[in-house]
Amino acid sequence: QKEVEQDPGPLSVPEGAIVSLNCTYSNSAFQYFMWYRQYSRKGPELLMYTYSSGNKEDGRFTAQVDKSSKYISLFIRDSQPSDSATYLCASDSGGGADGLTFGKGTHLIIQP
Amino acid sequence: NAGVTQTPKFRVLKTGQSMTLLCAQDMNHEYMYWYRQDPGMGLRLIHYSVGEGTTAKGEVPDGYNVSRLKKKQNFLLGLESAAPSQTSVYFCASGQTASTDTQYFGPGTRLTVL
Repeated sequence: QKEVEQDPGPLSVPEGAIVSLNCTYSNSAFQYFMWYRQYSRKGPELLMYTYSSGNKEDGRFTAQVDKSSKYISLFIRDSQPSDSATYLCASDSGGGADGLTFGKGTHLIIQP
Repeated sequence: NAGVTQTPKFRVLKTGQSMTLLCAQDMNHEYMYWYRQDPGMGLRLIHYSVGEGTTAKGEVPDGYNVSRLKKKQNFLLGLESAAPSQTSVYFCASGQTASTDTQYFGPGTRLTVL
């Protein structure tokens, strides 16, 4: 079983809607949680980074981590067609430099 | 400041051929990583390096070798005898700290092995 689970979608919503993207993880040692955005045929780009539980807001994006339920969320307000991309969640324990554990990614489509 | 760059962008190989993928970063990061991304599998770590002259295996290291050059900004991924199972998109990433709080990715190399 992969340590980070993510629904691949596609998730299609109308422009202006609030988008909720979610991941679950199984490794209790994970402390660092990230969301990456990946446009088609491009490399992933870091969108949000959170340490431990709590919320973090950056413009239209809010990242939320609930360590008690091992649940990671990304909310996008006032979604735009330019938000159409694949969103990857990633986690790490921080105990070393042995890379991040990624979910498979959710393909998001914002309909104009 | 170019960030993380990868060479080449595309490559087609025949089974059994060899090649080297080059990753370069200009952020003076200590940590560098090679991932592969396959449909339905997500990103999987191949090898990584925590500094000049050091390398370590990741989740899927078989069939690959790596070297971190003395000019530590360069990290090479080698395929000695390519197989169709190595058809994938390869991403290099770099990070500044051991806690892996952030990693920055290159644009990827799309490799097809026939």
